[in-house]
Amino acid sequence: GAVVSQHPSRVICKSGTSVKIECRSLDFQATTMFWYRQFPKKSLMLMATSNEGSKATYEQGVEKDKFLINHASLTLSTLTVTSAHPEDSSFYICSARMGTADEKLFFGSGTQLSVL
Amino acid sequence: GQNIDQPTEMTATEGAIVQINCTYQTSGFNGLFWYQQHAGEAPTFLSYNVLDGLEEKGRFSSFLSRSKGYSYLLLKELQMKDSASYLCAVMDSNYQLIWGAGTKLIIKP
Repeated sequence: GAVVSQHPSRVICKSGTSVKIECRSLDFQATTMFWYRQFPKKSLMLMATSNEGSKATYEQGVEKDKFLINHASLTLSTLTVTSAHPEDSSFYICSARMGTADEKLFFGSGTQLSVL
Repeated sequence: GQNIDQPTEMTATEGAIVQINCTYQTSGFNGLFWYQQHAGEAPTFLSYNVLDGLEEKGRFSSFLSRSKGYSYLLLKELQMKDSASYLCAVMDSNYQLIWGAGTKLIIKP
């Protein structure tokens, strides 16, 4: 089946630094990619939806200047957490979809971000 | 390699009970999650099992057997709104989520 690769799997950084997380679709072209944040034993919280070549659409309450999303190609989307703070520590997951809204989502394995 | 298996699709009748199975082979185990996903929406957390046994939460229950690498999600008193995809995911020893392909559940009146 389709594979979505997410890197890095874990990152520890100092407060105030920026962290970039990559999400790649390895064997298909992802017209749409999604970024989620997961709190322990909670639902995945959708942060933003990105379509290749256009600006990401952010969910209400998500700071677009803090969570920069770039979907420069049909196989790569990046999430950059700028000026990270301890409250940004979380598990971030991406997913990718080939075509229309009723097509399956494929998920990355997640990135555990710890901000000291 | 790491692998999660669950049926691709299941059909059940409104008011009935359905059991969705999930088997896994992973590098270590730090818990198993079940999510419900309606088309076009983010997955919704249903359950988290890290110890063997059955956890009941309303109409939904989840069971885990670590020795067998097996879990199931049990849905009772099925309602039409339960039609969705159900995703099984295992967190491995590196705290990475390994996802199953999802089971599409179709509820018929």
